[in-house]
Amino acid sequence: EVQLLESGGGLIQPGGSLRLSCAASGFTFRSYAMSWVRQAPGKGLEWVSTITGSGGSTDYADSVKGRFTISRDNSKNTLYLQMNSLRAEDTAIYYCAKKGVGYYYEDWGQGTLVTVSS
Amino acid sequence: SYVLTQPPSVSVAPGKTARITCGGNNIGSKSVHWYQQKPGQAPVLVVYDDSDRPSGIPERFSGSNSGNTATLTISRVEAGDEADYYCQVWNGISDDVVFGGGTKVTVL
Repeated sequence: EVQLLESGGGLIQPGGSLRLSCAASGFTFRSYAMSWVRQAPGKGLEWVSTITGSGGSTDYADSVKGRFTISRDNSKNTLYLQMNSLRAEDTAIYYCAKKGVGYYYEDWGQGTLVTVSS
Repeated sequence: SYVLTQPPSVSVAPGKTARITCGGNNIGSKSVHWYQQKPGQAPVLVVYDDSDRPSGIPERFSGSNSGNTATLTISRVEAGDEADYYCQVWNGISDDVVFGGGTKVTVL
């Protein structure tokens, strides 16, 4: 059974930094691209970033480019999202998601809440 | 950037059919995926690649895609189908993932 468990969320002041983690189990982690998708309170889903299975290629939404960095440690089966220069509009539940063969997400974690506020 | 347009809400009586549309420029040329999200829960993939269902998803959920509109159809709607539904595509031009704004399905 695929399990994705996010952690690292919390309350952070504007301009601050936070690192999210996603511990994966139940599948061959290094074989799958992974993404972060966020959802602001009461709003829809927004793709944030994707990393290939090897970690050699990454993509970012324009809204986070230059501020967020996605990475992975395949020896630890863990996905990360380093978030810098946080803004109020980054407040959201952050989900890690396992990409399928195509460009869809077949498994999701339960999410971790990030609140950016003074 | 590529935009996906969904109606904010759809209401349907139990046992009837709900159709949720997802509009986009020439969306028929892309693969469309659909997610169900119930309150307080993570999204669940219900249809991928326009019309395929993951294992465990009832046959009542089906999808189609042509021209400028993709459609998720829920047949014989049940109370448990009440949720938000999101369409999603990959935009190869800008190499990013795009979600529709979501449709809230209410079972009357």
